[in-house]
Amino acid sequence: EVQLVESGGGSVQPGGSLRLSCAASGFTFSDHYMDWVRQAPGKGLEWVGRTRKKVNSYTTEYAASVQGRFTISRDDSQNSLYLQMNSLKTEDTAVYFCARVGGSFCLDHWGQGTLVTVSS
Amino acid sequence: DIQMTQSPSSLSASVGDRVTITCRASQGIGKSLAWYQQKPGEAPKSLIYGASSLQTGAPPKFSGSGSGTEFTLTISSLQPEDFAIYYCQQYESYPVTFGGGTKVEIK
Repeated sequence: EVQLVESGGGSVQPGGSLRLSCAASGFTFSDHYMDWVRQAPGKGLEWVGRTRKKVNSYTTEYAASVQGRFTISRDDSQNSLYLQMNSLKTEDTAVYFCARVGGSFCLDHWGQGTLVTVSS
Repeated sequence: DIQMTQSPSSLSASVGDRVTITCRASQGIGKSLAWYQQKPGEAPKSLIYGASSLQTGAPPKFSGSGSGTEFTLTISSLQPEDFAIYYCQQYESYPVTFGGGTKVEIK
């Protein structure tokens, strides 16, 4: 069974940093692109970014709203995905989901999410 | 960026009703479209990919159609467990974008 478990959320002041983790199990992690998607309280889904796999040199893509502040990385040996968030803003407050990118490029499995609150 | 527009933003329907949700893309995306269901307090679940292919494990009462700029998600016979928010998503080009969601409520 595919499982994705996020951790690392919490409260942080504007301008601060936070690192989220996503532990994957039940599939060959290294074979898949992985995404981060967020959802502000009471709002819709917003794609944050993607990391490709080793054969694609682990290249990344980001939403304009986080480009230059957030960094996605992965450790295939640990079956883990990461989201380093710097220079956090109040508008980054959201539940952050990690998601597996399926062969069709849709997001076929999602974690339960972790809440990040940016507030002074 | 490709804008995804869903309509309606909400609807009320009765158990047993056939429900159709529309998603329009601001430019052509071929069939690079997915649909997701999200219930309160839960993560989204994949229903449809490639505009019309049923995701493994998704009930066959869900079906998708369309290509280019106009797409639909149909629920053939609404059941209590189907009351949720539905999102479309394009993955034709970066950035990946989602529609604003359609909330399906009980009439």
